[in-house]
Amino acid sequence: DTGVSQDPRHKITKRGQNVTFRCDPISEHNRLYWYRQTLGQGPEFLTYFQNEAQLEKSRLLSDRFSAERPKGSFSTLEIQRTEQGDSAMYLCASSLDRGTSPLHFGNGTRLTVT
Amino acid sequence: GEDVEQSLFLSVREGDSSVINCTYTDSSSTYLYWYKQEPGAGLQLLTYIFSNMDMKQDQRLTVLLNKKDKHLSLRIADTQTGDSAIYFCAESGGSGAGSYQLTFGKGTKLSVIP
Repeated sequence: DTGVSQDPRHKITKRGQNVTFRCDPISEHNRLYWYRQTLGQGPEFLTYFQNEAQLEKSRLLSDRFSAERPKGSFSTLEIQRTEQGDSAMYLCASSLDRGTSPLHFGNGTRLTVT
Repeated sequence: GEDVEQSLFLSVREGDSSVINCTYTDSSSTYLYWYKQEPGAGLQLLTYIFSNMDMKQDQRLTVLLNKKDKHLSLRIADTQTGDSAIYFCAESGGSGAGSYQLTFGKGTKLSVIP
């Protein structure tokens, strides 16, 4: 399967701990996105990379959140000092470098902060 | 800001047609999307339509767009139990925003009765 891959699928952590998620996009896709989905809601945009450059960040992305895409391939999303409000599904998506290219999503990482 | 509205629930009998409706507010939307989400999974791209089109058909799926009323619908013909899922409508930003910042509705939960 050559779709978007996310790891881990589930993460349970205690409040105050740091967590890191990984996303591997579809190989020929230059654009990579992170979205967050809470229960009963649609996904909300967090941030966007064009190759290794982080070009846009939502105001939802507090300073406890940091995302990287060091070589323009896989990406990591780190949350420091987790809070219960961070519990959500974190979705990664990728697309080609064209305005017409649709986003393809991975299966997400479900984070539970206890 | 942009807003996307969907009814939350739809129940149909197996073999009937399902019609899921969506309204949006951003008149500069360039693309409109339908995604499907099964329990515990990520989002699967079903279809998308460019804003200068009225209709798009893909096998059992028909998308209708009324740009004047900012109304989008997804019709699923011969609905099967495997179609039970949450369906999200999403719109992409207008000029300057590119395709990356999708705004999603809250999703319509489709239940198919055998």
